[in-house]
Amino acid sequence: DQQVKQNSPSLSVQEGRISILNCDYTNSMFDYFLWYKKYPAEGPTFLISISSIKDKNEDGRFTVFLNKSAKHLSLHIVPSQPGDSAVYFCAASAGNNNNDMRFGAGTRLTVKP
Amino acid sequence: DTGVSQDPRHKITKRGQNVTFRCDPISEHNRLYWYRQTLGQGPEFLTYFQNEAQLEKSRLLSDRFSAERPKGSFSTLEIQRTEQGDSAMYLCASSLAGGVYEQYFGPGTRLTVT
Repeated sequence: DQQVKQNSPSLSVQEGRISILNCDYTNSMFDYFLWYKKYPAEGPTFLISISSIKDKNEDGRFTVFLNKSAKHLSLHIVPSQPGDSAVYFCAASAGNNNNDMRFGAGTRLTVKP
Repeated sequence: DTGVSQDPRHKITKRGQNVTFRCDPISEHNRLYWYRQTLGQGPEFLTYFQNEAQLEKSRLLSDRFSAERPKGSFSTLEIQRTEQGDSAMYLCASSLAGGVYEQYFGPGTRLTVT
């Protein structure tokens, strides 16, 4: 059961422009959401998170937006850099113990110089 | 390096053999997780420990899989009688407990069953 969906398997963006990665979820019990970045031959690296009590969280060039009514979140990267090229995973968990985190299938972002 | 480490990084085995993987978490993290990732998919939760106690197991974790964390530090994941369908990346992650904290992942062990 795919409770977290990333419908775009890939995204290509020009350096300096905005990258927008999208994620949808179906489980209304999810209340904590995370984005991870993964380079080849490495494990996923935590990027940014957001609690369901917020609708926006910003960290430098990265901003996550949460729309609870639409069960949708997005990650904005501005400005995009070639080093941002990686696979981005959206993840979600329910309750105050994130022991069962559900991941999307990932979106491969390519930032062209 | 104080991150999560996993050993081996790659394992090729023949169907029917047993394999064991090791994970060393970040030292101050008392939670440890195991995930499996197949091509084109995100990580899938298998099981997690809080200290030495295994608190949850996914239905993905068949009877051929067993995980231990005997002293609350490193953990092992053993797969008995491997099948070709077990070929995947096995990821370990660790985190603090007592709230919602991000999980930190190791580089993974890639298993190929021939």
